[in-house]
Amino acid sequence: EVQLVESGGGLVQPGGSLKLSCAASGFTFSGSAVHWVRQASGKGLEWVGRIGRKANRYATTYGESVKGRFIISRDDSKNTAYLQMNSLVTEDTAVYYCQGYCSGGSCFPPDYDGVDVWGQGTTVTVSS
Amino acid sequence: QSALTQPASVSGSPGQSITISCTGTSSDVGDYNYVSWYQQHPDKAPKLMIYDVSNRPSGVSNRFSGSKSGNTASLTISGLQAEDEADYYCSSFSSSNTRMFGGGTKLTVL
Repeated sequence: EVQLVESGGGLVQPGGSLKLSCAASGFTFSGSAVHWVRQASGKGLEWVGRIGRKANRYATTYGESVKGRFIISRDDSKNTAYLQMNSLVTEDTAVYYCQGYCSGGSCFPPDYDGVDVWGQGTTVTVSS
Repeated sequence: QSALTQPASVSGSPGQSITISCTGTSSDVGDYNYVSWYQQHPDKAPKLMIYDVSNRPSGVSNRFSGSKSGNTASLTISGLQAEDEADYYCSSFSSSNTRMFGGGTKLTVL
């Protein structure tokens, strides 16, 4: 089964750090870019950042609100991507999703009917 | 880095067609054919409905279609069904090599 599973969410104090994981299975993870997207309760989607494939030197880009505080990485040998969140503020409270995407769906099995896959989300709460 | 502009809500009756607009700038929607549309039901992860402006994943109904003109992209849903009631978000690549989302549109099927 093609899936992503996020983990690592929880309650953290302002100024603290947290590291989320996104574990992939059922597809060629190394062939996909990975995006992190968050959604505060009752609000819209916000793009957090992305990491490219090895062929793109694992290039990363970030949204303005997290630049300099969040770091995205990946370990293709473990089929896992990570989101290291530092200097957390209350506005970072949200459900965090990871998304795997590959052009034309080339990294997915032939019987998979999509070009991307999302995890179920993990909740991060920043509060004192 | 402003979000893309979508109407807050649209509505339609079963069987009708609706269109949701997504307005950006010449640095994002207008300059790249990397506009995507996502459907999100309450407490569910987003689902990709359209990518690269007008491409539809094989598992998505052909009632969903996408287009773009200038700085505005559009999602059209024809033959509205009750299950289409959800939030819809557009997304675009931008010149700063980042990605942005629209504010979201709540679709109500009357």
